[in-house]
Formats: sequence, structure tokens, C-alpha cells
Amino acid sequence: EAQVTQNPRYLITVTGKKLTVTCSQNMNHEYMSWYRQDPGLGLRQIYYSMNVEVTDKGDVPEGYKVSRKEKRNFPLILESPSPNQTSLYFCASSSTSGRALGTGELFFGEGSRLTVL
Amino acid sequence: AQKVTQAQTEISVVEKEDVTLDCVYETRDTTYYLFWYKQPPSGELVFLIRRNSFDEQNEISGRYSWNFQKSTSSFNFTITASQVVDSAVYFCALSEASNTGNQFYFGTGTSLTVIP
Repeated sequence: EAQVTQNPRYLITVTGKKLTVTCSQNMNHEYMSWYRQDPGLGLRQIYYSMNVEVTDKGDVPEGYKVSRKEKRNFPLILESPSPNQTSLYFCASSSTSGRALGTGELFFGEGSRLTVL
Repeated sequence: AQKVTQAQTEISVVEKEDVTLDCVYETRDTTYYLFWYKQPPSGELVFLIRRNSFDEQNEISGRYSWNFQKSTSSFNFTITASQVVDSAVYFCALSEASNTGNQFYFGTGTSLTVIP
């Protein structure tokens, strides 16, 4: 079954304790991206990756890191989480290629709800 | 400046009424893509439609229809004969095609409640 898998789905942590949210897709997509969803703000893109070892900032990258060492995985790293990073996070991948890379339908994971105390 | 504006925060309609969700976008690119996604109360994000900037034809899929007008930078979504299952948050999104990278921009969403 084609899917994007995020872990953990729920996490409560404390300020400053490093954490990683994993994201894996089994569709061989080149494009992957991370979003956070906050009430009244919709979804905002944090980082995206056009391919292995190619990543770039989205609209709200501060406080986050990503890496893309393998095509299927795109982890989101919070080196020192703060309460303002409490949010619902979505990972997504997209299948288009060439100049339209990343402009196709986004396949989303189920979301990871993170609370930073 | 907001690239995608969904001015309607919440809408309530009675079942079987028609409802239109507005979306206005802003871009300088000539090649771009517009999307609608649905987020039901269960929380997952469901793809509804993708249109490219060169195709202004309106599209109909069952009770759903989309009106794309470049002249007004709008991509509105109409649900005909609404049903309770249509209750969800709907997001409009924009992706600009580029050789260096493609960002996605989402609107703030419109929460639709269909009252039985």
C-alpha cells in the first residue's frame, strides 16, 4: 500500500530536549516536505527536499533541521524544542518530476501531534 | 503577504444547500499549480484537485466543481447539494514551479459545517 509514515504520532516533551520526527514514503517520490498546522494559520511549509542531499527552507524553518540521506526518508529534527513549536506536523511526498517536480498531488502522512512543555 | 487567501473562516449550511468556498492567490510566476485539500474531523489531508495555470477550464467531479479565473486570481470550489459528510476544513494551496525549488503555500482554511 502506498503510504507516508510518520513517527511518533503523539509526543509530549520538555523544552530543550532534542527530538526527531521520522518520515518515510514507499512510493519512490523525489519530493518530500514538512508542514506544521496551527489554528487560524493553516499549513505552513517548514522544509522541503527536491532529492537526496537537496533540501531547502520553506516559510517557517526557524528551530528545525532536516536531512535527506535516502530517498525514502526525510526526518524532522528539533534540536532544542520550545513551547512555540507545539503543533501538528505533517510530512508529505509528491510524485511529479522535471520542472514540475514537487508540484503534484501531495501524499500526506497521518500527522504527528507534538506538545512542548 | 499571504500568497493564498481564504477569507471565509467558517461556513455553516443546511444539508442539500449549495456552498462556494473562495480562494484567491498571488503569484508572479506564469507556471503554477493550484490545489484543494479536505481535512475531515479525523484529521487526515485528502487531495481533491490539482490545476495548472494554463488550464482555465472549469472542472466538475460529481457534486464538486471548481472555477478557475486567472483574471481575478481565484480558484473557487463549489459543493452542490451539500451532505453532512462534507463537513470538514478545506484548504486551497498554490505551488510555483521552479528549477531551483518548489514551495507550497496553503491558505488558512475554511471550516465547513453541514447541518442535517
